Amino acid sequence: DAGVIQSPRHEVTEMGQEVTLRCKPISGHDYLFWYRQTMMRGLELLIYFNNNVPIDDSGMPEDRFSAKMPNASFSTLKIQPSEPRDSAVYFCASSLTGFKPQHFGDGTRLSIL
Amino acid sequence: GIQVEQSPPDLILQEGANSTLRCNFSDSVNNLQWFHQNPWGQLINLFYIPSGTKQNGRLSATTVATERYSLLYISSSQTTDSGVYFCAVTYASGGSYIPTFGRGTSLIVHP
Repeated sequence: DAGVIQSPRHEVTEMGQEVTLRCKPISGHDYLFWYRQTMMRGLELLIYFNNNVPIDDSGMPEDRFSAKMPNASFSTLKIQPSEPRDSAVYFCASSLTGFKPQHFGDGTRLSIL
Repeated sequence: GIQVEQSPPDLILQEGANSTLRCNFSDSVNNLQWFHQNPWGQLINLFYIPSGTKQNGRLSATTVATERYSLLYISSSQTTDSGVYFCAVTYASGGSYIPTFGRGTSLIVHP
């Protein structure tokens, strides 16, 4: 079975541009999580969805960040406008339920110049 | 929120050595996972272990939920074990499930 698929794997863009990260969860998983990993803060949860509905977005750093899940097989994380401090690796993960094991995608390495 | 502390932060081993990594958490949790982040940045599931003991080849893990800690054992370490090992817990709060990661143990295994 295919795992969690993220795209793009790498993104380099200039400050002020809009960035869109994409995620396809494992089929049948009801929960989808977006994380950000930096050296300073480690792995931190940004937002998670249950059955396509955002449940907890308290980790979203500011209004420049938004996430959507239009259907069970696709989610996006957008940053507009992007800033150099947004540079990080962004991971998407999915799980069957809130307490079941999470399976991670390979991440998107984002660099904002 | 819950605090997750991992120790040691860094570990250097010779190939063939054994090691124990520890994860302490400050409150009751509903699940616990161990991950290995390899040098390419991928997060690999090792164990889903909210309680009890599990083994998978050279790796094993034990979680004592009542005492709020988990241990990851690596035996006969190999260079491919190098990377960062994360402990992640999930707890219920106000109708939400909150996953929280520790800062990890960075392991280097020398040939």
